[in-house]
Amino acid sequence: EVQLVESGGGLVQPGGSLRLSCAASGFTFSSYEMNWVRQAPGKGPEWVSYISSTGRTTDYADSVKGRFTISRDNAKNSLYLQMSSLRGEDTAVYFCAREGQFDHGDYWGQGTLVAVSS
Amino acid sequence: DIQMTQSPSTLSASVGDRVTITCRASQNIYDSLAWYQQKPGKAPKLLIYKASSLESGVPSRFSGSGSGTEFTLTISSLQADDFATYYCQQHYGYWTFGQGTRVEIK
Repeated sequence: EVQLVESGGGLVQPGGSLRLSCAASGFTFSSYEMNWVRQAPGKGPEWVSYISSTGRTTDYADSVKGRFTISRDNAKNSLYLQMSSLRGEDTAVYFCAREGQFDHGDYWGQGTLVAVSS
Repeated sequence: DIQMTQSPSTLSASVGDRVTITCRASQNIYDSLAWYQQKPGKAPKLLIYKASSLESGVPSRFSGSGSGTEFTLTISSLQADDFATYYCQQHYGYWTFGQGTRVEIK
């Protein structure tokens, strides 16, 4: 059974940093591209970042470029999102999502809440 | 960026109704369109990908159609478990989502 489990969320002050993790199981993690998607309270999902199966290619939404870094450790079946210079508008539930054969999001984790407030 | 526009934003319906939700892309995305169902506090659940392919395990009352820039999600006979928010997503480029359609009880 495919499982994606996020962790690392919490309350952080503006300007602070946080590292999110996503533990994958039930599939060959190293064969799949992965994404982070966030959803602010009462809003629709917003794509945040992409990483290729090898980790060599990454990309970011303009709203987080230069502040967030996506990475993965295929030996540990884990995906990461390092977030720095956090702002109030980064407050959201953050989901990791696997890209299926046709580049759609076929499996999603349950999400982890990041709240940025003083 | 590819913009996705969904309509309506809210839809009131009864059990047994046929329901249609529309999604429009700002440019040609061919058939790279997915539909998700989301319930409060849960992750989006994939229903349809490549515009009309039904995800395994999803009831056949859900169907998708369209190509290019105009797409629809149809629920042929609304069930109690279907009251939720639905999002379209283009997977032609980096993902973008519609603003959502909340299906509520009439």
